[in-house]
Order: sequence, then C-alpha cells, then structure tokens
Amino acid sequence: DTAVSQTPKYLVTQMGNDKSIKCEQNLGHDTMYWYKQDSKKFLKIMFSYNNKELIINETVPNRFSPKSPDKAHLNLHINSLELGDSAVYFCASSQEGLPRSEAFFGQGTRLTVV
Amino acid sequence: KNEVEQSPQNLTAQEGEFITINCSYSVGISALHWLQQHPGGGIVSLFMLSSGKKKHGRLIATINIQEKHSSLHITASHPRDSAVYICAVEPDSNYQLIWGAGTKLIIKP
Repeated sequence: DTAVSQTPKYLVTQMGNDKSIKCEQNLGHDTMYWYKQDSKKFLKIMFSYNNKELIINETVPNRFSPKSPDKAHLNLHINSLELGDSAVYFCASSQEGLPRSEAFFGQGTRLTVV
Repeated sequence: KNEVEQSPQNLTAQEGEFITINCSYSVGISALHWLQQHPGGGIVSLFMLSSGKKKHGRLIATINIQEKHSSLHITASHPRDSAVYICAVEPDSNYQLIWGAGTKLIIKP
C-alpha cells in the first residue's frame, strides 16, 4: 500500500492555466506538507498544514494555494501557471510537526509549463 | 554560502565498497534528516538524528552536534543503493527544514 500518493505523476500544461495536484496519505498522520524541488535539486517547503494551522512560506506566490478537504488529503492548486512553476512537487506527511517525527514523501509530480 | 553543505556532490563506486557521504551545517539545530531520492524521483526518509548514531540494515548515520557534522555510511554497497542522498536540518529557531543539495551516488556492478 502506498503511504503517501500524489496524482498525477506528470503534468504538462500551458501558461495561464489553472491546475491541481492531489495528495493523499493513509498513515493517519496529522500534518501534511508540500515541497517544491528546484532545478538545483533543493527541496523548499511551500506549505505545512494540520487540522489546526496552515503555515505558508512567505516566498510562495499567492497563485499557489493548499486545499485540505479532510485530514488525509492536501491538494495543491495553482492558478495562472507560469514557466517558472515548472518543477517537481512533493507531498509529505508526518505524525507530528516535522521533523519531530520522520516524514514520508510521495513520489512527486513533475509539472512542466509550456 | 549554503547553510547545509554536502560532500561529495557526485560519487561513483564499485559494488561492495564502503560509502561515506558527509553533511556540514552552520546553524544550531534540533534534528537532522537523511533522505534518499530514487531515480524515479520518490523520496524516502532514512534517518532522523539529534545525537549519536543510528543503524538500519547496511546504513549507518552519525551526528556530531558540537562539530555540526553528520555522515551517512553504506556498508557492502550494491547497485540498488544508487540514488541521490539528501541531508536536511531543523534549525533551533523554527521547525522548517533546510535542505542540502544532495549527493548523487552510483554503484557499479
């Protein structure tokens, strides 16, 4: 069973479109995250969310928004996509706030904006 | 200068060799993570350390808080160990992680 699953795995879309990436975890974790991996392979946190608190990295454009319909899901919505949004996006979850407990990552979604 | 530096950036070795990947950081931390990124992109958390040493199978991770340094060792390396290994630290000041750039490891049969 996949612990943290993201869909789609690959996403190619045109500039200006609005898209979503879905993330689901079946671990019963309280906290979920979205990370962006840039071209230099650095992973940068975008959002952290549990049922009490959403923490946003202030460097993330407001075109990006997380949506959590329930504790097991944290979807990433991106409006008005730009070329610079092309990257691999990773979802993760942990039992407590990272990294007091180890994080489990999804396989990643490779977003290409053309 | 990055707050988390890994070395080497790239490492190619023969099957069976003992592998060491290093991570140095410049901030006070409460914990350090080692993660493995497979060629397909998926990331697996290997270790979380706040002191001492942890072992999991052929993998060993050590940390020296005073020297601000951690090492990841792989014994009896195997081609399936080929991946990018990433070090990440949690600063004392907040929970968010600071990530290293990763070490790309290739183990040849």
